[in-house]
Amino acid sequence: EIVLTQSPGTLSLSPGERATFSCRASQSVSSSSLAWYQQKPGQAPRLLIYGASSRATGIPDRFRGSGSGTDFTLTISRLEPEDFAVYYCQHYGSSPPAFTFGPGTKVDFK
Amino acid sequence: QVQLVQSGAEVKKPGASVKVSCKASGYSFSNYGINWVRQAPGQGLEWLGWISAYNGNTNYAQKLQGRVTFTTHTSTRTAYMELRSLLSDDTAVYYCARELSYGDPFDFWGQGTLVTVSS
Repeated sequence: EIVLTQSPGTLSLSPGERATFSCRASQSVSSSSLAWYQQKPGQAPRLLIYGASSRATGIPDRFRGSGSGTDFTLTISRLEPEDFAVYYCQHYGSSPPAFTFGPGTKVDFK
Repeated sequence: QVQLVQSGAEVKKPGASVKVSCKASGYSFSNYGINWVRQAPGQGLEWLGWISAYNGNTNYAQKLQGRVTFTTHTSTRTAYMELRSLLSDDTAVYYCARELSYGDPFDFWGQGTLVTVSS
């Protein structure tokens, strides 16, 4: 079973700054099997990135996903006030469909 | 537009069962699987399992094997999650979520259903 680790647990940043989130897998995974979600308080998660680097429909281009093997990164180029939330990475496979979430990284106001 | 609308909050006693529904609209129901995810208060996301809305095939997370059952009712475009022998640790918001494509991440989510297990 693949275990995902996210760091840091919390990021304290200001609007306009760059945010970088790390997701590490316990073993090498396919780049096509890594996704990122954003969750705001009281809301369901929202899919941001799938296949490690493909933006989901409607996601602004300030969100960028990258990485391969065991190390993946989500970058927000310039934080907007609405980006302060918790971000989760997810590994997925299809035989049969199975999913694992990382523990999440919270972005709060510095 | 695609929507998943879940049933309302539930309060159950330990040992009881709960059944949460997830009604889909805005897309061809049988063409997409449904996943169930839960989130305990202040905690992260936990995937509970997947069901094919096409043929009812399922894959349950190991942790809940034997206590959870997913079903779908195609004519009413509704998916169901039943969790039995409830424990206080099952207190969480339960979400249904549609897969982007077979085995892919979740592009649409229900609004969540709070299940509280308390004596």
